[in-house]
Amino acid sequence: EAQVTQNPRYLITVTGKKLTVTCSQNMNHEYMSWYRQDPGLGLRQIYYSMNVEVTDKGDVPEGYKVSRKEKRNFPLILESPSPNQTSLYFCASKPRGTDTQYFGPGTRLTVL
Amino acid sequence: AQSVTQLDSQVPVFEEAPVELRCNYSSSVSVYLFWYVQYPNQGLQLLLKYLSGSTLVESINGFEAEFNKSQTSFHLRKPSVHISDTAEYFCAVSPITGGGNKLTFGTGTQLKVEL
Repeated sequence: EAQVTQNPRYLITVTGKKLTVTCSQNMNHEYMSWYRQDPGLGLRQIYYSMNVEVTDKGDVPEGYKVSRKEKRNFPLILESPSPNQTSLYFCASKPRGTDTQYFGPGTRLTVL
Repeated sequence: AQSVTQLDSQVPVFEEAPVELRCNYSSSVSVYLFWYVQYPNQGLQLLLKYLSGSTLVESINGFEAEFNKSQTSFHLRKPSVHISDTAEYFCAVSPITGGGNKLTFGTGTQLKVEL
């Protein structure tokens, strides 16, 4: 089944404890992206990647890192999480040259 | 830069009644337009999109949206809603030149269908 998977789906952590949220897609998509969803703000793009080893900042990149060493994986790294990063995170992917992004199921992160 | 405004944060409606979810956008370049739906505890799914051609686009489950360039709007409508339509709906735009890479979302409209 073609899909975007995220792990973990739920995570509660404490301020300053490094964490990684994984994203993987099995559709051979070139483009991948991370969003955060907050009440009243909709979805905002954190980082995106056009292809392997090519990443760029979105609208709200502060406090996050990403890497794209393989085409299928696009992990989101929080080196020192803070409470304002408590949010619902979505990974998305799409083939190059197409218009529609496919979203993962989301990761709900709580930073205490 | 683009921006998307969804004026209604919540829309309650009775089952079988019609509904309209409003979306207006601002952009200095031509854009693609999308409606995504998020069912409870799920990710976003594409509902419908406007790329070019006919300004009225339809989804497989009875929703339709009309692109109005002069009013920079892309309102979503359904003539008769069902309980299963309860979800959050997001309008989004993407610059045509960017090929769909940069999606800008509105803040979402929660549609609650009641019996």
